[in-house]
Amino acid sequence: DGGITQSPKYLFRKEGQNVTLSCEQNLNHDAMYWYRQDPGQGLRLIYYSQIVNDFQKGDIAEGYSVSREKKESFPLTVTSAQKNPTAFYLCASSIVGGGQASYEQYFGPGTRLTVT
Amino acid sequence: AQSVAQPEDQVNVAEGNPLTVKCTYSVSGNPYLFWYVQYPNRGLQFLLKYITGDNLVKGSYGFEAEFNKSQTSFHLKKPSALVSDSALYFCAVRDSPGGSYIPTFGRGTSLIVHP
Repeated sequence: DGGITQSPKYLFRKEGQNVTLSCEQNLNHDAMYWYRQDPGQGLRLIYYSQIVNDFQKGDIAEGYSVSREKKESFPLTVTSAQKNPTAFYLCASSIVGGGQASYEQYFGPGTRLTVT
Repeated sequence: AQSVAQPEDQVNVAEGNPLTVKCTYSVSGNPYLFWYVQYPNRGLQFLLKYITGDNLVKGSYGFEAEFNKSQTSFHLKKPSALVSDSALYFCAVRDSPGGSYIPTFGRGTSLIVHP
């Protein structure tokens, strides 16, 4: 899966608990992304980051938080404020250089979160 | 603004037959177009991309895609389908020049190849 690791693969939590999903890449990519995937809805962008210590909200950021303290790491916290957190979460990275957007994304294997 | 559409939720094809998975897009400038494949409970894998140049792009696993500017399409094709090609396929687009580096993904098309 392109040098990106996500852990754990499966995660179970009780409602009301915060949970942090790990994403690490060794590709030296500048940009990192978090997506949520639900059946029949494709990929929805949660957060993205182009450089260390900077990140931007995506389309569905409410109830989620991120940090980018290191270039290779972009953890996602699913907070208790997220109303429907059960989903498949995908982390990705890509090159961003020279103002070009021609670079493909590399995806991790995903984390399936189940909240009951 | 950029958008992409995959008009078919599911495509069924017999093994050995040619396959096509459709994708249409809308951008303000010139498109950067991508195809990804996802196997069950896995991340997406990059298949191919169109940036500029030849309208027929060849990618991994024998897949190719044809860029058609007049029809704003970027259909994924393979001359002879394999059962192992059964997966979820995503088309994505980025606008250029000066567009966001954040791609827009289609909703995905499930390809089922029957033995």
